[in-house]
Amino acid sequence: GAVVSQHPSRVICKSGTSVKIECRSLDFQATTMFWYRQFPKQSLMLMATSNEGSKATYEQGVEKDKFLINHASLTLSTLTVTSAHPEDSSFYICSARSANQPQHFGDGTRLSIL
Amino acid sequence: GQNIDQPTEMTATEGAIVQINCTYQTSGFNGLFWYQQHAGEAPTFLSYNVLDGLEEKGRFSSFLSRSKGYSYLLLKELQMKDSASYLCAVRGAAGNKLTFGGGTRVLVKP
Repeated sequence: GAVVSQHPSRVICKSGTSVKIECRSLDFQATTMFWYRQFPKQSLMLMATSNEGSKATYEQGVEKDKFLINHASLTLSTLTVTSAHPEDSSFYICSARSANQPQHFGDGTRLSIL
Repeated sequence: GQNIDQPTEMTATEGAIVQINCTYQTSGFNGLFWYQQHAGEAPTFLSYNVLDGLEEKGRFSSFLSRSKGYSYLLLKELQMKDSASYLCAVRGAAGNKLTFGGGTRVLVKP
């Protein structure tokens, strides 16, 4: 089945640090990748939609200068949380899909900002 | 916009059946998905409905009625490992992104 790899699985760092999270589709070419954030006991909230070679589309209320998304190829998208602060601590999950296929999720990245 | 409702929590006994309902109001519709999410883990895909009717996959079945904006996920022969959150998600007319409901936490008791 479709496999999406997300790295790192956990990050603990100081306030002000920038953190990069990678999302790779391992056995298919992902036409679209998505980035979600999930706070404890809440559902997934879509942050942005990323298509290869074009700018990401951000959801309302998500700061594009703070959450930088790069989708350089059909198998790789990265999310960089710039100058992270404690309120950015959350579970970040990517997903990827190809045409007419369901989204498949990476294992998520637990980000803790001290 | 999209509005998706599902119960917050359900409790059931091992070996029993549980039905999780999901109602949605959307500006467009291009499919409904069910995902399972264990605590601290990412969601895993369970089922997909785009036409009315029942889709069966082993112990899990999902039903869709587009005219009623309604779906359910049926879990049969419950096992302890089925304790998880179950997320209903709708893909809108734009075709790409999913909007998730709040999730239903299912607790399976011995």
